[in-house]
Amino acid sequence: DTAVSQTPKYLVTQMGNDKSIKCEQNLGHDTMYWYKQDSKKFLKIMFSYNNKELIINETVPNRFSPKSPDKAHLNLHINSLELGDSAVYFCASSHGLAGVTDTQYFGPGTRLTVL
Amino acid sequence: AQSVTQLGSHVSVSEGALVLLRCNYSSSVPPYLFWYVQYPNQGLQLLLKYTSAATLVKGINGFEAEFKKSETSFHLTKPSAHMSDAAEYFCAVRLGGYNKLIFGAGTRLAVHP
Repeated sequence: DTAVSQTPKYLVTQMGNDKSIKCEQNLGHDTMYWYKQDSKKFLKIMFSYNNKELIINETVPNRFSPKSPDKAHLNLHINSLELGDSAVYFCASSHGLAGVTDTQYFGPGTRLTVL
Repeated sequence: AQSVTQLGSHVSVSEGALVLLRCNYSSSVPPYLFWYVQYPNQGLQLLLKYTSAATLVKGINGFEAEFKKSETSFHLTKPSAHMSDAAEYFCAVRLGGYNKLIFGAGTRLAVHP
């Protein structure tokens, strides 16, 4: 019954590797997001997709590439991982973009550790 | 530019005491404001939100927040703290038409017996 789910929950990898994090929502929402939470708990948006279209693309290295195969899924692929990529990555979804009720619902997070 | 500032990165209260977590916002337009809670090793959960209706907003778990335009504040309160309230609390403002949330730095609430 999990509304927004992410896999894996933990990811430990070596520098230079390529990895992916998957996100799925079963809320019927049109919009999905990726956030990064650093070691000081600071949360920052990275990307947002609405109906599979990229609408928010913050200043993120192009090693990060989101992909939305359908409205229920938003995956995050990271190439050539660096130590500074270690963080918790959160997926979120909302019904839409600008309505009063467009609350974002967050997944449980994926803790990425780059060694 | 819209932003939020949370005063106090750590707040400690006794069980049963008043909880007050401070959030001030900066916005050139009427803001949508949110409080989220993050329990250890979990995702964020919405506590409450202000969307320009009532200025006093009631949320889950006995929390409430009051929007004060004159003070540009949206402080979170709870009359009586419970041990289970220990968590990280984030204030956020929604930016523009793309539902982009700008988060504060967070406040860690500790509740001691």
